[in-house]
Amino acid sequence: GAVVSQHPSWVICKSGTSVKIECRSLDFQATTMFWYRQFPKQSLMLMATSNEGSKATYEQGVEKDKFLINHASLTLSTLTVTSAHPEDSSFYICSASSLVGGGYNEQFFGPGTRLTVL
Amino acid sequence: QKEVEQNSGPLSVPEGAIASLNCTYSDRGSQSFFWYRQYSGKSPELIMFIYSNGDKEDGRFTAQLNKASQYVSLLIRDSQPSDSATYLCAVTPSGYSTLTFGKGTMLLVSP
Repeated sequence: GAVVSQHPSWVICKSGTSVKIECRSLDFQATTMFWYRQFPKQSLMLMATSNEGSKATYEQGVEKDKFLINHASLTLSTLTVTSAHPEDSSFYICSASSLVGGGYNEQFFGPGTRLTVL
Repeated sequence: QKEVEQNSGPLSVPEGAIASLNCTYSDRGSQSFFWYRQYSGKSPELIMFIYSNGDKEDGRFTAQLNKASQYVSLLIRDSQPSDSATYLCAVTPSGYSTLTFGKGTMLLVSP
């Protein structure tokens, strides 16, 4: 299957600082990338969908000014958590999508980034 | 609200048994159905996807889809302790390319 990487795999930061997470599709060009957040013992919650060269579409309740998404190329998307606070501590996972047979999109997940805000 | 429901478990089965995981979804127009496995602290990995009614087999795994009943299941034959994980059902709602995830069912396979 296709490979998606994330960097960093974990980060600890002080409250009020900004953190950037990178998501790369290594061996394919992703038409769409997705950002999820997962709190302990909860399911994945979609935060936003991004297409290369266009503005991200944010899910209801997700602050677009706090979670900045840049999708500069078909292989790279970044999520910046601005002015992070302890409640932003979570597991952030990206996925990249490409078309499979029949026109259906299959999502390939990155390994995730564990963010801890002190 | 597009919803995907799963029993949170844990579902406990002995090694070698068949594990049956179930999922229901609310959007009758949903197109694609996926089963992911997630180990603690890791991101999900795709096990299978299914689009058509009926069964789809891949090794020890069989996905079953019944669109009339809005029900999708995953059977794991000859369960192994390494299968112990949380299994997430995900659905692509009609008209969307996004995935809606259920909360997952924890499976515990005892040696």
